[in-house]
Amino acid sequence: AQTVTQSQPEMSVQEAETVTLSCTYDTSENNYYLFWYKQPPSRQMILVIRQEAYKQQNATENRFSVNFQKAAKSFSLKISDSQLGDTAMYFCAVSGTYKYIFGTGTRLKVLA
Amino acid sequence: DAGVIQSPRHEVTEMGQEVTLRCKPISGHNSLFWYRQTMMRGLELLIYFNNNVPIDDSGMPEDRFSAKMPNASFSTLKIQPSEPRDSAVYFCASSSGSGGTGELFFGEGSRLTVL
Repeated sequence: AQTVTQSQPEMSVQEAETVTLSCTYDTSENNYYLFWYKQPPSRQMILVIRQEAYKQQNATENRFSVNFQKAAKSFSLKISDSQLGDTAMYFCAVSGTYKYIFGTGTRLKVLA
Repeated sequence: DAGVIQSPRHEVTEMGQEVTLRCKPISGHNSLFWYRQTMMRGLELLIYFNNNVPIDDSGMPEDRFSAKMPNASFSTLKIQPSEPRDSAVYFCASSSGSGGTGELFFGEGSRLTVL
């Protein structure tokens, strides 16, 4: 079984500052992938970043990077130089053998 | 390329009525997923299909829910009879990756309100 836990229901950050969203997971799969999705008020789910569990190197996409700690089953998302457009719900997800399981989300608000 | 297309965007119905939600996945994608999003439970996986075959429907809450995928370009999620607690946003998503490796592409969701 796969589970994903996001322990921060809400967070806020000042524009241009850095914020880190936490995620822990559990899976019995040997090969799996981890994802962060963003859901702005428009409701559309948008992929932010993807990490392959067998890769040691942390994934990076522009201002977004992850801290992947496989032994600790931790997958946090760091947003640098936060922008007002980053205001959204952020979901962590783990996949393996077809299933994609999501956490309950963290609502991030970027303050001007 | 068009993304995942869902219809309707919004549906308001009365308790006891049948509801059908529709989804057209991205062409070439071989996996399709139905999720339900509520404030209390977040994003729940209801069912997923691979190559039009239902692989796991253990997330379907009750017999009132059923899903079909008659071909690679169309899927439906049906609720009959509907109840107020079914009110939620229902997302369809598709993927081309094998074994959960690829990006999930989501539709815009169908917001269902059951009165």
